[in-house]
Amino acid sequence: EDQVTQSPEALRLQEGESSSLNCSYTVSGLRGLFWYRQDPGKGPEFLFTLYSAGEEKEKERLKATLTKKESFLHITAPKPEDSATYLCAVQAGLSKFYFGSGTKLNVKP
Amino acid sequence: GAVVSQHPSRVICKSGTSVKIECRSLDFQATTMFWYRQFPKQSLMLMATSNEGSKATYEQGVEKDKFLINHASLTLSTLTVTSAHPEDSSFYICSARERYEQFFGPGTRLTVL
Repeated sequence: EDQVTQSPEALRLQEGESSSLNCSYTVSGLRGLFWYRQDPGKGPEFLFTLYSAGEEKEKERLKATLTKKESFLHITAPKPEDSATYLCAVQAGLSKFYFGSGTKLNVKP
Repeated sequence: GAVVSQHPSRVICKSGTSVKIECRSLDFQATTMFWYRQFPKQSLMLMATSNEGSKATYEQGVEKDKFLINHASLTLSTLTVTSAHPEDSSFYICSARERYEQFFGPGTRLTVL
């Protein structure tokens, strides 16, 4: 069964305390893995797409990596404005997207 | 990234009325759009896949006659919640696919009294 699991469910960090979010998946025919950021009451904001194992992408304090079974979203020296829910989604086939339940990140000043 | 808009952002209606939500891709053409529903503190639940010029594909458990989807052009898809009831209150989000990526609208908060 196709499945996407994110951990932890919630993460509290002090400002400047680096950490990683995990997205593990069991999907046949992976076409891509996507990371989104969602603020309360808003739609998800696109961050990254990863297509193959070994691929890495960076944007400001965020870095996403991909293996054959999981992806990590590394947050380096986070700031309070990085607080949000981070969603991982996996595309299998042409249209089917599977979303994880998200990791709610809270960065304290 | 590509921009997707939704209208309205918030709607409050009485039980039994119908509500239409529009989803537009502003700077690209989208042959495929998706409609999601999100409950508080939960992830997105795919309701249906909307293909331009053809019938929408609904996920299991989603009532086709309750949630009418029309994708009449390459930049517009609409979701109509018919005879809305309080249990239909939720956050509805659309997305549009450009190549292999999905871009999301800002969402519509529906409250049915």
